Amino acid sequence: TQLLEQSPQFLSIQEGENLTVYCNSSSVFSSLQWYRQEPGEGPVLLVTVVTGGEVKKLKRLTFQFGDARKDSSLHITAAQPGDTGLYLCAGGRGNTDKLIFGTGTRLQVFP
Amino acid sequence: NAGVTQTPKFRILKIGQSMTLQCTQDMNHNYMYWYRQDPGMGLKLIYYSVGAGITDKGEVPNGYNVSRSTTEDFPLRLELAAPSQTSVYFCASSYSISGTGFEKLFFGSGTQLSVL
Repeated sequence: TQLLEQSPQFLSIQEGENLTVYCNSSSVFSSLQWYRQEPGEGPVLLVTVVTGGEVKKLKRLTFQFGDARKDSSLHITAAQPGDTGLYLCAGGRGNTDKLIFGTGTRLQVFP
Repeated sequence: NAGVTQTPKFRILKIGQSMTLQCTQDMNHNYMYWYRQDPGMGLKLIYYSVGAGITDKGEVPNGYNVSRSTTEDFPLRLELAAPSQTSVYFCASSYSISGTGFEKLFFGSGTQLSVL
């Protein structure tokens, strides 16, 4: 059973377009992280959100944690080829459990 | 600082062979983790350690063993390789315990393992 489902699974867009990636669950999480992974490398942390309804911005990337802390979204404005990679969400449920990773969204941005 | 270093980068094993995936970190992190990554399945936790001499099972520990004799090193052992263990393996470390929302996981660059 996959607790964190990401959609879409694949996304292929042109440079300059906007996009949104979703991370959904039926479970409540105390924290939600987003990672980006480039080919041949390990994931790199982009952001952590811990409060329901929280919005964080990282340049052209906007992250939101759902009010009920069951879902999250990542919005990229004016995508660039450098945004290409695998985006992973990961949910935390407190220090008795470890991070649960989502299924991943593979993004390709063409020049 | 090198961060988290994994070796080897690639390996092909025959069914039934054994091998050890090496992982070392130079950030003095207490917490270390081993994940496997399969297409469309995200990352699954195999084993983790909260400090030297202490290890515990994750979500998918069967077929693997670990040890943590020092803070820096956390090797993963495959005793009898099976085709189901074909995957990309990542080692990670963190200063705080994973799952609390205050941790930042640092990952190595991975080991791509094929069992034929």
